[in-house]
Amino acid sequence: AAGVIQSPRHLIKEKRETATLKCYPIPRHDTVYWYQQGPGQDPQFLISFYEKMQSDKGSIPDRFSAQQFSDYHSELNMSSLELGDSALYFCASSPSPFSGNTIYFGEGSWLTVV
Amino acid sequence: AQKITQTQPGMFVQEKEAVTLDCTYDTSDQSYGLFWYKQPSSGEMIFLIYQGSYDEQNATEGRYSLNFQKARKSANLVISASQLGDSAMYFCAMRERARMDSSYKLIFGSGTRLLVRP
Repeated sequence: AAGVIQSPRHLIKEKRETATLKCYPIPRHDTVYWYQQGPGQDPQFLISFYEKMQSDKGSIPDRFSAQQFSDYHSELNMSSLELGDSALYFCASSPSPFSGNTIYFGEGSWLTVV
Repeated sequence: AQKITQTQPGMFVQEKEAVTLDCTYDTSDQSYGLFWYKQPSSGEMIFLIYQGSYDEQNATEGRYSLNFQKARKSANLVISASQLGDSAMYFCAMRERARMDSSYKLIFGSGTRLLVRP
């Protein structure tokens, strides 16, 4: 079965650079969530989209932005990268944001800022 | 605000034995859902099992079962017949809705690292 696809899997950037992470949800899933998991931490909710519109917003820095496109894939853009942005970034998808009993995660994108 | 608590930072279990990972939650919602995810060292977050607050039966998925005690607000994960491949971090999570008109998202506990001994 198709799963949530994230790219790239690994990314190394220097401070103050920009990074873009991509997420392709499971087919027929119209809701996408982004999470950030720092070393030894639990995942923290960043932002979510439903039907290409922002649905909810968590602890996402102003330097980060995200959007969901017409084909439901989503991109997380991170600018002016800081060392503390080094983390595992997850995208998750679900068929609906309102029932929430099936939320599947991608394999994550490892971002290292040096 | 809703909260998930996992009080066991780490646990050991002997291969082929059963193990229970604890999870307690706090919510004022009548309708909620509880999830368990497995995160191996490679990093991916693997969905294991889901329990809805109105589900009368405890959820089961293969070797995974959820011991749901609503009055105690606990949703412990039971893994039967542990295997070496079960060694991983396990997260309990709950659906949270920020506002009445908003969508759901997951909030996570701090996780329990399980190590299966041969």
